[in-house]
Amino acid sequence: GENVEQHPSTLSVQEGDSAVIKCTYSDSASNYFPWYKQELGKRPQLIIDIRSNVGEKKDQRIAVTLNKTAKHFSLHITETQPEDSAVYFCAAGSGSARQLTFGSGTQLTVLP
Amino acid sequence: NAGVTQTPKFQVLKTGQSMTLQCAQDMNHEYMSWYRQDPGMGLRLIHYSVGAGITDQGEVPNGYNVSRSTTEDFPLRLLSAAPSQTSVYFCASSSATGGAFFGQGTRLTVV
Repeated sequence: GENVEQHPSTLSVQEGDSAVIKCTYSDSASNYFPWYKQELGKRPQLIIDIRSNVGEKKDQRIAVTLNKTAKHFSLHITETQPEDSAVYFCAAGSGSARQLTFGSGTQLTVLP
Repeated sequence: NAGVTQTPKFQVLKTGQSMTLQCAQDMNHEYMSWYRQDPGMGLRLIHYSVGAGITDQGEVPNGYNVSRSTTEDFPLRLLSAAPSQTSVYFCASSSATGGAFFGQGTRLTVV
């Protein structure tokens, strides 16, 4: 089955700096890669996703890049703010979001 | 539009008891899934469904049962609760081309 590895497990940045979280996947059949943000005690919320026919996708301060050959994808957050502090999860799926394999999460702390 | 609704939010069970976690969605999504979240391990897929009457196993299905009689509802049954099933359970729904949307979660403790 699919295996998703996520790094780093914790990340601290100064407010205004950029943050990058990286994930690798093992199954070449995976073609859907969402990212979720989870605040303490809350549900995971979809923040951005990318499909394997696209190399990069942006939404305001958030971007995701995908390297299908190397089987890795990354989340980039620019101009970080304290409210960006949360746990971020990457995931991989085949064709749709019905059957996702998640990474183990990255605790992002944005220091004011 | 409530999205994905889970009940209950909290539950304490004794070892050996059975219970059903409820999940309902009002977005007319074809797909529904159950995940469990344990500290440091991300979310792991228990069971999923691609439509009414169709279910399949995920990564960690043992000790759980599901059924999908309607598009809206996807209950998860714990047959005989064990301490290893202490976890936070999330239900999710998605369309064929969209992202997965999660319910608010059920925090289950088995003593």
